[in-house]
Amino acid sequence: ETGVTQSPTHLIKTRGQQVTLRCSSQSGHNTVSWYQQALGQGPQFIFQYYREEENGRGNFPPRFSGLQFPNYSSELNVNALELDDSALYLCASSLAGSSSYNEQFFGPGTRLTVL
Amino acid sequence: KQEVTQIPAALSVPEGENLVLNCSFTDSAIYNLQWFRQDPGKGLTSLLLIQSSQREQTSGRLNASLDKSSGRSTLYIAASQPGDSATYLCAVEAYGNNRLAFGKGNQVVVIP
Repeated sequence: ETGVTQSPTHLIKTRGQQVTLRCSSQSGHNTVSWYQQALGQGPQFIFQYYREEENGRGNFPPRFSGLQFPNYSSELNVNALELDDSALYLCASSLAGSSSYNEQFFGPGTRLTVL
Repeated sequence: KQEVTQIPAALSVPEGENLVLNCSFTDSAIYNLQWFRQDPGKGLTSLLLIQSSQREQTSGRLNASLDKSSGRSTLYIAASQPGDSATYLCAVEAYGNNRLAFGKGNQVVVIP
């Protein structure tokens, strides 16, 4: 059973650019959530995808968007990057509707730096 | 809106001492509570998940308790080791939304 993987590990962009981050879910999981973690803070929920549909969104602007694919892998896209978007982006997968009580498993994260 | 607070923000203990980390949350209508470990610059490792109907969970040297009515959870780490040095995050999930609300974490240093 493979765990959650994310790519790339690190990324440096400049203000105004666009970025795509990728996540592969743990085998058998059907739900992916994305979180943003600023330095010294706890992760903040961005949005969640379940069976390729957005299934809840946190307090993030529309320039944060996502996709989930039939194999349950996922992308996070951020347009018009701002300096405050610099953070660790975490992907978490879970199996909704199971007896696992929605236990979430996190990937290693992508460190995004916006200059 | 669910608010999660972790106290203390940081602590140092000598090796061998027991660690006690506290988490409080404002809305007691939770589905589950998870404790995670995070090493610097890394992702989160799930330590324990406590279902809303449970009072505690144990795994090895770790024990987590949950008191929903008072909005509190405590993580105990017995006989701490230098390898336990990390940030410990508490997160709660409300019923039906599968999203976690996190505290800022307890940063732990175990001194050899």
